Amino acid sequence: KNEVEQSPQNLTAQEGEFITINCSYSVGISALHWLQQHPGGGIVSLFMLSSGKKKHGRLIATINIQEKHSSLHITASHPRDSAVYICAVRSRNGGATNKLIFGTGTLLAVQP
Amino acid sequence: GAGVSQSPSNKVTEKGKDVELRCDPISGHTALYWYRQSLGQGLEFLIYFQGNSAPDKSGLPSDRFSAERTGGSVSTLTIQRTQQEDSAVYLCASSLAWRGNSPLHFGNGTRLTVT
Repeated sequence: KNEVEQSPQNLTAQEGEFITINCSYSVGISALHWLQQHPGGGIVSLFMLSSGKKKHGRLIATINIQEKHSSLHITASHPRDSAVYICAVRSRNGGATNKLIFGTGTLLAVQP
Repeated sequence: GAGVSQSPSNKVTEKGKDVELRCDPISGHTALYWYRQSLGQGLEFLIYFQGNSAPDKSGLPSDRFSAERTGGSVSTLTIQRTQQEDSAVYLCASSLAWRGNSPLHFGNGTRLTVT
């Protein structure tokens, strides 16, 4: 079982729909990142969370530390939101290790 | 520069040759990370630098892989005797500090193809 699980793996939505992508993890973390990768493009960091909720434009990210779960929401989705969304956690193991553990990503396609 | 810069953006090499991939982090960023993304696969951690030292090399897949960082800035990832399974996009990221709450900034990656 992967330490970071995302669902769904693939998601197709119609323009304007409200979208939710989920991330569950099994390790202790110091932070959780939501990343966006457009086809053939680089990776952009959307959010970094250690608690609560953050909002940026039409994007909202929440995290529940007790339940080890985070969600990324996209309101009023648009075709330009089509990308792979990746959840990554920075493990908190007390040592010097500061690596990210990545989910396998969610491929989102928003159709006009 | 304004962001993390990686070079080359694309590299095609023959099996058995050595390659060097370069990462210029954002100025002042003390933490630097190397990841790779194989075709159809997720992101895989390779190595992490704090300043010039590498506290975590656990992700390097074999002893053909090595990395160094000089002057707390530029990092080079070297792959010796490349194999076809080394083909991937190699991504570099930096953050202001090694602490868990520092945002990450990614470069656009180097696409390595081993023929």
